[in-house]
Amino acid sequence: QVHLQESGPGLVKPSETLSLTCSVSDDVSNNYYWSWIRQPPGKGLEYIGHIHYSGSTIYNPSLKSRVTISVDTSKNHISLKLNSVTAADTAVYYCARASMVYAIHFWIDPWGQGTLVTVSS
Amino acid sequence: EIVLTQSPDTLSLSPGERATLSCRASQTDYSGYLSWYHQKPGQAPRLLIFGASSRATGIPDRFSGSGSGTDFTLTISRLEPEDFAVYFCQYFITSPPRVAFGGGTKVEI
Repeated sequence: QVHLQESGPGLVKPSETLSLTCSVSDDVSNNYYWSWIRQPPGKGLEYIGHIHYSGSTIYNPSLKSRVTISVDTSKNHISLKLNSVTAADTAVYYCARASMVYAIHFWIDPWGQGTLVTVSS
Repeated sequence: EIVLTQSPDTLSLSPGERATLSCRASQTDYSGYLSWYHQKPGQAPRLLIFGASSRATGIPDRFSGSGSGTDFTLTISRLEPEDFAVYFCQYFITSPPRVAFGGGTKVEI
């Protein structure tokens, strides 16, 4: 069973860049989509985006201008950068592995345990 | 833009009862393949159902998914104490490609 672990600062100042890393116990060059999802405290889930090891990405249109997801195949790491953060970006951030079949079946499994990032001065 | 609406917001039931959760898409996408997750307090979501009706590995058969097009249902045939959680549906939209989640249904005792 693949294991994913998020890491990074738990506190980021407004207007700065949120940077998180996801360590994956599996080979990220396998044919999966490595995803980031966030959940503001007490609220629902928001899909941030994903990357395939080939480098292709999909980003949430509402975050696209501020988000970069990258993959380091040598370290089996997935990275998330979200710039110009505000308090609205305070959330638990999850990394996860997603599968896609025939370009229409898409499901997310498994998920990392998540890491809380608070945006505050 | 496709919006996923889950109902009800909260479902109050007892162990042993049947739970029926709904997820409706505001418009159909030719994919029509929905996934369901549940999330217990303080934990990450866990995949229950993919492709509208296929159970994920290790998910008990009291969980079943159905539906197509714009209307989908998750049924828990007999609630166990560990099933009290928040349930989310998720849809992959093909054009332009993106992933949407429903707002969630809380199943409480």
